Amino acid sequence: DVKVTQSSRYLVKRTGEKVFLECVQDMDHENMFWYRQDPGLGLRLIYFSYDVKMKEKGDIPEGYSVSREKKERFSLILESASTNQTSMYLCASGASYSGNTIYFGEGSWLTVV
Amino acid sequence: DAKTTQPPSMDCAEGRAANLPCNHSTISGNEYVYWYRQIHSQGPQYIIHGLKNNETNEMASLIITEDRKSSTLILPHATLRDTAVYYCIVRVLSGNTGKLIFGQGTTLQVKP
Repeated sequence: DVKVTQSSRYLVKRTGEKVFLECVQDMDHENMFWYRQDPGLGLRLIYFSYDVKMKEKGDIPEGYSVSREKKERFSLILESASTNQTSMYLCASGASYSGNTIYFGEGSWLTVV
Repeated sequence: DAKTTQPPSMDCAEGRAANLPCNHSTISGNEYVYWYRQIHSQGPQYIIHGLKNNETNEMASLIITEDRKSSTLILPHATLRDTAVYYCIVRVLSGNTGKLIFGQGTTLQVKP
């Protein structure tokens, strides 16, 4: 089975802290994604990557950056966490060919206090 | 913006078929329709996807109209564990990859 693993299920961080959310996939997928999910707003795409060291902004990239140094790992970085970044963060991965399946991790619940 | 429209909620009796509709009237010729579901506090679970032919797997069937402007997800024998939010998504091609743009989904309540 495809596995997308997010490093932390629950985190509590202080305002202004630098936060790293890590995601690892074991299927040699080229594409990886970071979403956040908020009540009433649904899932919104933050960033995605289609290859090592390659990235593209999604719909809400402000306040976030990403890193893809290895194919299997995609990191989401909050340079200076703020309370409005309290959310559930979801990582996903998929192969590069059209019509492939995209798989999601279980999510990371981040609370910024 | 999401390219799909779904009813916000539906009920289904346990053991009966659940038919979840989705409109995607602006879909392009090379864009796939995907269905995911999400149970509270978990990541979205892949169900099925298709381009223009009907598809079936062990979880569900996907019926896509000939003009591709709408589709229906069918859960043939719904159980209480199928209660979830179901998302119909058109995968939008962008540069080197295809993004999943989620809408609000349909909350399916399976009742005993």
